[in-house]
Order: sequence, then C-alpha cells, then structure tokens
Amino acid sequence: RKEVEQDPGPFNVPEGATVAFNCTYSNSASQSFFWYRQDCRKEPKLLMSVYSSGNEDGRFTAQLNRASQYISLLIRDSKLSDSATYLCVVNSGGFKTIFGAGTRLFVKA
Amino acid sequence: NAGVTQTPKFQVLKTGQSMTLQCAQDMNHEYMSWYRQDPGMGLRLIHYSVGAGITDQGEVPNGYNVSRSTTEDFPLRLLSAAPSQTSVYFCASSGPMGSSYNEQFFGPGTRLTVL
Repeated sequence: RKEVEQDPGPFNVPEGATVAFNCTYSNSASQSFFWYRQDCRKEPKLLMSVYSSGNEDGRFTAQLNRASQYISLLIRDSKLSDSATYLCVVNSGGFKTIFGAGTRLFVKA
Repeated sequence: NAGVTQTPKFQVLKTGQSMTLQCAQDMNHEYMSWYRQDPGMGLRLIHYSVGAGITDQGEVPNGYNVSRSTTEDFPLRLLSAAPSQTSVYFCASSGPMGSSYNEQFFGPGTRLTVL
C-alpha cells in the first residue's frame, strides 16, 4: 500500500462547478499536510497548507481528518485556469515528506 | 531572484553514459533535494542535503551521487545511465529546517531519456 494515495482522475468538470479531491495517508504519525499544484510539464508549487481546523483560501478549502487519516481539497466555482494536477503531500517530521501521485483536473468551458 | 534553476532542460543518454544534472538556488536555502517523477508514482526523493558538506540518501538513491560544496549548488550525478532512469528530475530547496516542514521551491525540471 502506498503511503499517500490519491484518486488519479481525471476529473472533468464544467466551469463554475464545485469539485472535491480526497487523499489518504497511512502513517498515523504524520504531522503536516499540504496541497501542491502542478501544471502540465511544469514544476509543483505550493497551493496551500492543511490545518487541523480546516482552512480556506479564496475558492479553495482544505480539510484534515486525523481519525480517518485523510485530507481533502474543495474547489468552488471552478475556472479554466484551475486545470492542473493536484498533489497531496504529507510530512512526518524533518525530511520525511511523501508526495502523492496526483489527481488531474480538467475544467471545460 | 532566479529561484531554483536546473540545467539542462532535456537530455538523451545512451545506456552506460554518465552525466551531471545541475541545480542552483539563490535564496540562501539550507535544504536542497532531488526528486524523480514517473507516471503514477508521484515524486520520489533521491538524495537531499541540509547544508554545505552534508548529504544523505532518500527513498531511491541507487545509481545516483550528489555533493554539496556550496550552499547554492547541488548537482546530481548519474554514474552509469540505465533505461530505468528515464524520468523527469526536479531539484527543490527550502529554508531553515527545524522540526516542521517548510515550503519547497522547485526548479523547472530536467527531462531525461536513457536509450
């Protein structure tokens, strides 16, 4: 079993739709959680951190469920520019950082 | 600031050849790392460094060497290229490492094909 698992998608949604991605992790000692965004043939970039109480950044909302060991990312009012691959990242302290394989999102006009 | 730079952007090697992928950062970051990204696998850590003169192995170090003689540079050497090393390689850096994770800044990547 992979340490960090994501639904690879692709998710195909129309503009304006709400879409949610889930990510599960296996190490219960994991401490920090993040979502990165990666555009086609580009490098990953930090989208947002995920806090225990949940957090929001504009149209993006991240949630953490430690009991069930999953994190989620909700995108509201999808834009064409949201089309990308979203990487779930879990850190267990120090240098132990695991990247998920990513979920691909296509937003259509 | 240029951020994290990598050269070359593309490279084709024959099996058995050696080469060095270059990585440099101008953010005075202590931590630097090399990842490879393969379809369906996510990014996997090859080697990392917490400062000049200090390096350590990541998840998939076999076939690769690194050195860190300066804070700015962290080259990755392929000793004897194999087709299994065909991948996209990303270099990343982040600020002072404590007990918590810091955002990693990635270079644009090197696309390597080994024939």
